[in-house]
Amino acid sequence: NAGVTQTPKFRVLKTGQSMTLLCAQDMNHEYMYWYRQDPGMGLRLIHYSVGEGTTAKGEVPDGYNVSRLKKQNFLLGLESAAPSQTSVYFCASKESSISTDTQYFGPGTRLTVL
Amino acid sequence: AQSVTQLGSHVSVSEGALVLLRCNYSSSVPPYLFWYVQYPNQGLQLLLKYTTGATLVKGINGFEAEFKKSETSFHLTKPSAHMSDAAEYFCAVSPRGNAGKSTFGDGTTLTVKP
Repeated sequence: NAGVTQTPKFRVLKTGQSMTLLCAQDMNHEYMYWYRQDPGMGLRLIHYSVGEGTTAKGEVPDGYNVSRLKKQNFLLGLESAAPSQTSVYFCASKESSISTDTQYFGPGTRLTVL
Repeated sequence: AQSVTQLGSHVSVSEGALVLLRCNYSSSVPPYLFWYVQYPNQGLQLLLKYTTGATLVKGINGFEAEFKKSETSFHLTKPSAHMSDAAEYFCAVSPRGNAGKSTFGDGTTLTVKP
């Protein structure tokens, strides 16, 4: 199993450009998450999904959109990138069983917005 | 609402010395508690977690943590530090049955000196 993969690994955008980050998992997990990591601020939840076709806002959703058309994929979109969105983005997935509650993380996407 | 406080953004120990990384949490309901480790340019990996049962939890790489409800703490320890333990460590809390929406601490960077 590849686990959780993220595409691309690195990206540089100019202010106002758009892009989509792709997260894929092959563990048949129901729940998927997008986080951003900034120095000294831990991980902050952007959006999450509890199943195919569902999405919900997290702690810092402004400026981002998401879609979960297929169970294995969770896309994060930036419609008009801003320098404040320079960050490392992590995707994670989790089984729906509350007895485990362990999230599995992808390797991250490092995004710079100029 | 839930929150996590990691005391000390940087901890430095000598190889072979005790590692102690502190984590305090607040939660309105009994939570699940986690420690994750992040090596440079990688995603987060689960070290250990507390869900129910024994309050002393053993994880990978010789780490363990003890859930102390009265102190709302979940400190991470390792008796003898190894150079390979140098990484960033995150404590996280997740309310039971809440789609695994974890709240992460700001992280503690562990440096191990030879």
